[in-house]
Formats: sequence, structure tokens, C-alpha cells
Amino acid sequence: AQKVTQAQTEISVVEKEDVTLDCVYETRDTTYYLFWYKQPPSGELVFLIRRNSFDEQNEISGRYSWNFQKSTSSFNFTITASQVVDSAVYFCALSGTTLNAGGTSYGKLTFGQGTILTVHP
Amino acid sequence: EAGVTQSPTHLIKTRGQQATLRCSPISGHTSVYWYQQALGLGLQFLLWYDEGEERNRGNFPPRFSGRQFPNYSSELNVNALELEDSALYLCASSLAGRTGQPQHFGDGTRLSIL
Repeated sequence: AQKVTQAQTEISVVEKEDVTLDCVYETRDTTYYLFWYKQPPSGELVFLIRRNSFDEQNEISGRYSWNFQKSTSSFNFTITASQVVDSAVYFCALSGTTLNAGGTSYGKLTFGQGTILTVHP
Repeated sequence: EAGVTQSPTHLIKTRGQQATLRCSPISGHTSVYWYQQALGLGLQFLLWYDEGEERNRGNFPPRFSGRQFPNYSSELNVNALELEDSALYLCASSLAGRTGQPQHFGDGTRLSIL
């Protein structure tokens, strides 16, 4: 079975602080995909990034960066110089590639419980 | 380009009734997914449709069902509604045929059971 754990339920920071959201995953698949999504107060889930299990390069996109470490099964997300607009719930998710008849992981996203990030002005 | 659209935005039903939720995917996307986001339970996978076929199903009772139409839009039907079905139902779409494609979500339908 697949599992995603986001240890931080809530994080509160002041604007311009850096913040890291942790994500740890479990899977038996050798090929899998990791995602981060943002859910602002308006409710829609916004796709931020996808990483496949064979690509451990870190990625930076503006103020966002992601650190994928297969050895520790972690896919952490850092926001540099946080802004009030970053306030949202952030979800880490995992998609597998198992096609077995029982409990297939193919296609579906398994989400972590989410981290509520509040950035104060 | 239009994103994933869901209707209605809100739906109020009573116990025992049936609810139908609708979803139109992004143009060019042929896979549609349904998720339930209930308070305290997080985001739970419900169903995946691709090319009109059900490809995967989450741990939900059979009264949760759906279908995908030839134009790739989808319906989620929930029969014999129970109070615990109150939740935000999110639809997502992706390019099909290859796993690992990013799923793009709609704004959701909030279903309230009285």
C-alpha cells in the first residue's frame, strides 16, 4: 500500500521568512511519481510540480524549490522569502505504477494530510 | 484554455436521496478522476475513468458510481446519501494513456447532506 506523510499539520511564519514543508512517502513500486499541490482558501487544487522516481535532481522555480531524496523517501518543499499570498494548504501526493488486480496504485493520487501554511504580514 | 469545470458548485440533499455531480475535462484530456475531500479525512481517491472505461476505484461502497461519456466528460453518482457523504468532491483530468501525468483539478462541488 502507498502512504504519504506530512508531519507538519500547521506552520505559521512571518513574511520574508523561509519555510520548508516536509513530505515522506512509502511505496513498493520501483517507478512512481511525486507531486506537490497548493489549495488556497478558494478551494481549487493547483498543481505545482511533478517528480519521477528516477530523477533526483533538485528543482528551483522562482521562490519555490524541491528536494527529492530517494534514500530517505522524502520530497520536501521550500518557499524562500515567503509572502502572504503563499498562505494555503499544501499537499504532497504519490502516484504508482502497479497494475495488479488487487489494490492497483496505477493512476490514482495518494495524498498526504496537508500542511496549513499561514504567512503573516 | 478552459480548465476543468464542475457543476453544480453547491448541492444540498437529504439522507436517502441521490446526487449527480458533473465534470468537463480540459480539452485534449481523456482521463477523468474523482476525489472526495471530507473534513478531517483529507483527499481520498474515488474513481478513474479513461476512454470511457473505469480503470481504478478507491475504497468506497458501490453506491458511489460514475461514468464517462464519449466527449470525455464525466458524472459521479452517489445513491442512498448518508450524512457522512457531506464533502467537497473534486474532479481532475489529465492526458491519458501514461501514468504519472499531472492531474489538473476543478473547483469542486460541495455536497451537503441534511
